[in-house]
Amino acid sequence: NAGVTQTPKFRVLKTGQSMTLLCAQDMNHEYMYWYRQDPGMGLRLIHYSVGEGTTAKGEVPDGYNVSRLKKQNFLLGLESAAPSQTSVYFCAVYGQGSHEQYFGPGTRLTVT
Amino acid sequence: KNQVEQSPQSLIILEGKNCTLQCNYTVSPFSNLRWYKQDTGRGPVSLTIMTFSENTKSNGRYTATLDADTKQSSLHITASQLSDSASYICVVSRLSNDYKLSFGAGTTVTVRA
Repeated sequence: NAGVTQTPKFRVLKTGQSMTLLCAQDMNHEYMYWYRQDPGMGLRLIHYSVGEGTTAKGEVPDGYNVSRLKKQNFLLGLESAAPSQTSVYFCAVYGQGSHEQYFGPGTRLTVT
Repeated sequence: KNQVEQSPQSLIILEGKNCTLQCNYTVSPFSNLRWYKQDTGRGPVSLTIMTFSENTKSNGRYTATLDADTKQSSLHITASQLSDSASYICVVSRLSNDYKLSFGAGTTVTVRA
């Protein structure tokens, strides 16, 4: 997980509140991804970015927005949190040279 | 329907024993298949990556196999250790320009002394 950090590590929100999750990388890679992980399911792609200033929808984008204003940062926003968004969120970075996806440590979000 | 199916969902083994995890996929066109290890409360960490032309790859006590014809892969853990207790995730990449991945739900391995 070296080189990919996530802030915060834990957060509890009330329904309707908003928040932003930050993913930061020092690996200088173009491709960044936000996933959510729920019990009994594989990681699901929320949004991704193929470079600074670009974003695209993944498999489960509803209720989330993203921004990639700087190459090293990828932000995931929840405008109005819902209990269904209780999950563990992972950011990942793709290294084109190594063909590896490097994951951050995760953010555990609970929406009550 | 998930394009990557793993079995078993969980298993318990005694320290020192071997075990094999299975992965079947339908992702197409295929680019590569990876096995990740995820410790509790941590992000996934890559163990092996195999392309279409590779049918086996080892990383220490972990050996992955790939049969691209039948779209099956396995991960064999030899002489298990307590530190092998984790979730093992099979991940398949489709040949595309965005490098998106399809994840299995994982197999939870518990190694007991």
